[in-house]
Amino acid sequence: DVQLLESGGGLVQPGGSLRLSCTVSGFTFSSHAMSWVRQVPGKGLEWVSVISANGGDTYYADSVKGRFTISRDSSKNTLDLQMNSLRAEDTALYYCARGVSTSCYTPIENWGQGTLVTVSS
Amino acid sequence: DIVMTQSPDSLAVSLGERATINCKSSRSVLYSSNNKNYLAWFQQKPGQPPRLLIYWASTRESGVPDRFSGSGSGTDFTLSISSLQAEDVAVYYCQQHYSVPFTFGPGTRVDFK
Repeated sequence: DVQLLESGGGLVQPGGSLRLSCTVSGFTFSSHAMSWVRQVPGKGLEWVSVISANGGDTYYADSVKGRFTISRDSSKNTLDLQMNSLRAEDTALYYCARGVSTSCYTPIENWGQGTLVTVSS
Repeated sequence: DIVMTQSPDSLAVSLGERATINCKSSRSVLYSSNNKNYLAWFQQKPGQPPRLLIYWASTRESGVPDRFSGSGSGTDFTLSISSLQAEDVAVYYCQQHYSVPFTFGPGTRVDFK
């Protein structure tokens, strides 16, 4: 079974940093693009970032560009999201998601349960 | 950015009746070189992550009941639930993955009448 397990969420002050991780199992990690999507509780979904299967292509939402960095480590089967200069509006549940294929331009097929990030003083 | 809109915002349907959700993109999401619409539909129930229902606008994901169907091309798409069941109460989102940022629609809440 495909499993995606996010970790690293928590409470951080505005301007602070946090690193989210997603540990995957049940599939060949290096064969799938991976994404981060966030959701303010009770609100809609917001796409955050995507990385291709080989890590060569990365894309970001304008709202996080320059502050967030997506990366992957195939030796550890992990997807990371380094979040710097955090703002109150970054408060959300962050989902790790698996794409159908290697390209960034691929449908999202599987989602983790999410990790909650709260930015507040 | 491609803006995704959905209608209605919410709808109430009787058990066994048909539910229809519309999704419109501000630009075409049809990729001419492979004739695929880069449009997916997701279902999200309270307290759960989203679940992929339909991709490439009309391909049903494995394990999704055949009462769910997707149609449309270019900029106008529809998700239909042919006979609403109790477990279909949820919020439904469309998403385009044709052009970054890969935007979602605002969601449509489906409930019982």
